[in-house]
Amino acid sequence: DVKVTQSSRYLVKRTGEKVFLECVQDMDHENMFWYRQDPGLGLRLIYFSYDVKMKEKGDIPEGYSVSREKKERFSLILESASTNQTSMYLCASQPAGLSYNEQFFGPGTRLTVL
Amino acid sequence: QQQVKQSPQSLIVQKGGIPIINCAYENTAFDYFPWYQQFPGKGPALLIAIRPDVSEKKEGRFTISFNKSAKQFSLHIMDSQPGDSATYFCAASKDSSYKLIFGSGTRLLVRP
Repeated sequence: DVKVTQSSRYLVKRTGEKVFLECVQDMDHENMFWYRQDPGLGLRLIYFSYDVKMKEKGDIPEGYSVSREKKERFSLILESASTNQTSMYLCASQPAGLSYNEQFFGPGTRLTVL
Repeated sequence: QQQVKQSPQSLIVQKGGIPIINCAYENTAFDYFPWYQQFPGKGPALLIAIRPDVSEKKEGRFTISFNKSAKQFSLHIMDSQPGDSATYFCAASKDSSYKLIFGSGTRLLVRP
């Protein structure tokens, strides 16, 4: 069974704080993703990584950065949290190759920025 | 610009009913159309997917119907059960891209 774990289920931070969201997968997948999920907007891709130290911007990268130092771990960083970044954040992993490969999601981190 | 439009936003049916969720896409280069199911407190999980070379795919009680000329696809849940209550997302992608473009989601409630 593929397992994708996220460091926190719930997180409350203050405006301006630096926030780290951690994601770990145990299936040796090459691809990892960070999405945010908002009601009525579905899932929107923030960043994608296809290898260690490799990353690509998704559709909404502004205000975020990522780090992938090890294959199994993909971190999302909010450099200076703002209230409009209050959201559910989902991490996913996927084997390399065709986009048809299933993406496996973690349970999500619900972040509230006050 | 939303490339995959999903409707309805929410849906309530009685047990045994057949909820239908519809999606429409714009990019004719899309060639992979999955549906993901998300239960409360969980991440989405792949439910069923279709390629445009077929017009229908069934897996158990779940069926995808695909209309390439209309650029539409839909999910039908036969004999729906309360355990099917979840949020359903359609998505689309093309083989040359890693990106999945998700619809806005449909919250389904199946009443006992």
